[in-house]
Amino acid sequence: SQELEQSPQSLIVQEGKNLTINCTSSKTLYGLYWYKQKYGEGLIFLMMLQKGGEEKSHEKITAKLDEKKQQSSLHITASQPSHAGIYLCSSDDSGAGSYQLTFGKGTKLSVIP
Amino acid sequence: GAGVSQSPSNKVTEKGKDVELRCDPISGHTALYWYRQSLGQGLEFLIYFQGNSAPDKSGLPSDRFSAERTGGSVSTLTIQRTQQEDSAVYLCASSSSNRGWTEAFFGQGTRLTVV
Repeated sequence: SQELEQSPQSLIVQEGKNLTINCTSSKTLYGLYWYKQKYGEGLIFLMMLQKGGEEKSHEKITAKLDEKKQQSSLHITASQPSHAGIYLCSSDDSGAGSYQLTFGKGTKLSVIP
Repeated sequence: GAGVSQSPSNKVTEKGKDVELRCDPISGHTALYWYRQSLGQGLEFLIYFQGNSAPDKSGLPSDRFSAERTGGSVSTLTIQRTQQEDSAVYLCASSSSNRGWTEAFFGQGTRLTVV
């Protein structure tokens, strides 16, 4: 089964700093979702990447998919306290014929004002 | 409602009791997933429903766990004879397709505490 490893596990940054979170798959990545989870809330969809080399941006968050490296990265520019939370990457195996979503264990981001 | 709704949001139960967790998916979504997130762990797949097909129960951790989906809509996850290791946040998600790259929408989760 596919495994997704996220790094770092936790991150503390000063407000205004840039940061990157990585998600590496043990198998071929057909596509990837990024979610954000805040305490007591459900998962919030951030972005979906479908094709190798694809890059998407939403406000100050940019995500890229590198098929060759079987990796996706999430980059936050000029971080704000509102960016704090747990970021989760997820992939489904539909490209391999399955439909289970696999999740990384998450990266906990703290932003110090 | 506009999103996936789960109830209750919090549940404290005594060890050995049965509990039922409810999920109302987004109207029209054919796919429904149950996951659980234990402290310090990633999300763990439990069960998947797709339309009228037989559910994929491969993620259920023991025979104390069961789930139903009535009329292709509301789903109930039942845990019998709860144990302390069942304490976790149980998340439900729904999506409009069984394959292809469609977004899965998650509920707020039910926080289950077994004492």
